[in-house]
Amino acid sequence: QQQVKQSPQSLIVQKGGISIINCAYENTAFDYFPWYQQFPGKGPALLIAIRPDVSEKKEGRFTISFNKSAKQFSLHIMDSQPGDSATYFCAASINTGTASKLTFGTGTRLQVTL
Amino acid sequence: KAGVTQTPRYLIKTRGQQVTLSCSPISGHRSVSWYQQTPGQGLQFLFEYFSETQRNKGNFPGRFSGRQFSNSRSEMNVSTLELGDSALYLCASSGTSGIYGYTFGSGTRLTVV
Repeated sequence: QQQVKQSPQSLIVQKGGISIINCAYENTAFDYFPWYQQFPGKGPALLIAIRPDVSEKKEGRFTISFNKSAKQFSLHIMDSQPGDSATYFCAASINTGTASKLTFGTGTRLQVTL
Repeated sequence: KAGVTQTPRYLIKTRGQQVTLSCSPISGHRSVSWYQQTPGQGLQFLFEYFSETQRNKGNFPGRFSGRQFSNSRSEMNVSTLELGDSALYLCASSGTSGIYGYTFGSGTRLTVV
């Protein structure tokens, strides 16, 4: 019930292309869905996040699409650049107000080629 | 402002030993959470501390423990190390916004031989 499934495991996209990473969840109590970006040797950094009352959120070249009925959400990276090459993690959380934790997907290694 | 500082960056320990990892949160942050990252299991939640109290705990054996000091610095301890404990241990600090304001450190890479 706490699992978040992420696909694909790895992705190769040409410069200027669109990178799409998908996640699915089971627990309908999840109410916060962030995406994190991690470069080698660094900790994950928050990229963009969405709540289930919104179907889409865009920040620059990054867009989250959220489908509540299908219990799926995805990250779209438009005009992908070599500097976007990193590992991306989706996550989900139930915030009880005083105690909360993130449940992460298994990660997608993105490589953007020239 | 300074980010989340984790020390040491790298550690090599022998099976059966114990280890203590340290995390200094961003100034003013009172919540510190710990995660274990491995290639097979990904990022898994260990525990969260807020104002010196453990608020939440993941599904790890009792060999994994932690604490938080009055200055919000946190330590985690792993006793009787096993080969499977080899991982990147990450801490994340946040202020009153909890998980919404997570800032992760660069982690401590623990290798158990």
